[in-house]
Amino acid sequence: AQKVTQAQTEISVVEKEDVTLDCVYETRDTTYYLFWYKQPPSGELVFLIRRNSFDEQNEISGRYSWNFQKSTSSFNFTITASQVVDSAVYFCALSEKNGNKLVFGAGTILRVKS
Amino acid sequence: ETGVTQTPRHLVMGMTNKKSLKCEQHLGHNAMYWYKQSAKKPLELMFVYNFKEQTENNSVPSRFSPECPNSSHLFLHLHTLQPEDSALYLCASSQVQREETQYFGPGTRLLVL
Repeated sequence: AQKVTQAQTEISVVEKEDVTLDCVYETRDTTYYLFWYKQPPSGELVFLIRRNSFDEQNEISGRYSWNFQKSTSSFNFTITASQVVDSAVYFCALSEKNGNKLVFGAGTILRVKS
Repeated sequence: ETGVTQTPRHLVMGMTNKKSLKCEQHLGHNAMYWYKQSAKKPLELMFVYNFKEQTENNSVPSRFSPECPNSSHLFLHLHTLQPEDSALYLCASSQVQREETQYFGPGTRLLVL
C-alpha cells in the first residue's frame, strides 16, 4: 500500500529564515510520481511541483527547492528566505503510474511571522 | 475562466435537505475527482471519473451521489447528510495518460446542521 508521512505537524519561523518540510513515502511501484501542493487559508490546493520516480535531480524554482532521494524515500521541500505569504498548509502526495489515485500526507502547517 | 471552478463556495444545510455541489474545469482535461477534507484528517479521495465513467468509489456512503455529464462538469448530489459530513469538498481535474497532475478548485465549505 502507498503511504505518505509528513512528520512535522506545524512549523513556525521568523521571516527570512530558511525552512525545510519533510516528506517520506512508501510504495512498491517502480514508477510513481511525487507532488507538493500549497493550501493557503482560502482553501484551494495550489500545485507546486511534480517529480517522477526516474528523475532524481533536485529542482530549484525561485525561493523553492526540492530534494528527492530514492535511497531514503524522501522528497523534502525547502523554502529559502521565507515570507509571510508562505504561511499555508503544505501537502506532499504520491501517485502510482497511472496518476489517478493521489495519496496525500497529513500536511504541515507553516507559520511565518514578521 | 480560470482552471477549476466550484460553486457554491459555502453551503449550510440541514440533515433533511438535498443540495448539489458543482465543479467545472476549463483545462481540457479528461478526468475529474471529488475529495473530502475534514478537520484533522488527511485529504480523502471520494470519486474518480475518467472520460465521464466512474472508475473509483472509495467506499463513500450512498448519501453522496456523483454525476459527470461530460468531461468538463462534475456534480456531487447530497441528501440526508450527517453533521460529520461537514468538511471542505474539493474538486480536481487532470489529463490522464499525459501530464497527470491534478489541478484543484477552491472547494466548497459545507456545514451540516
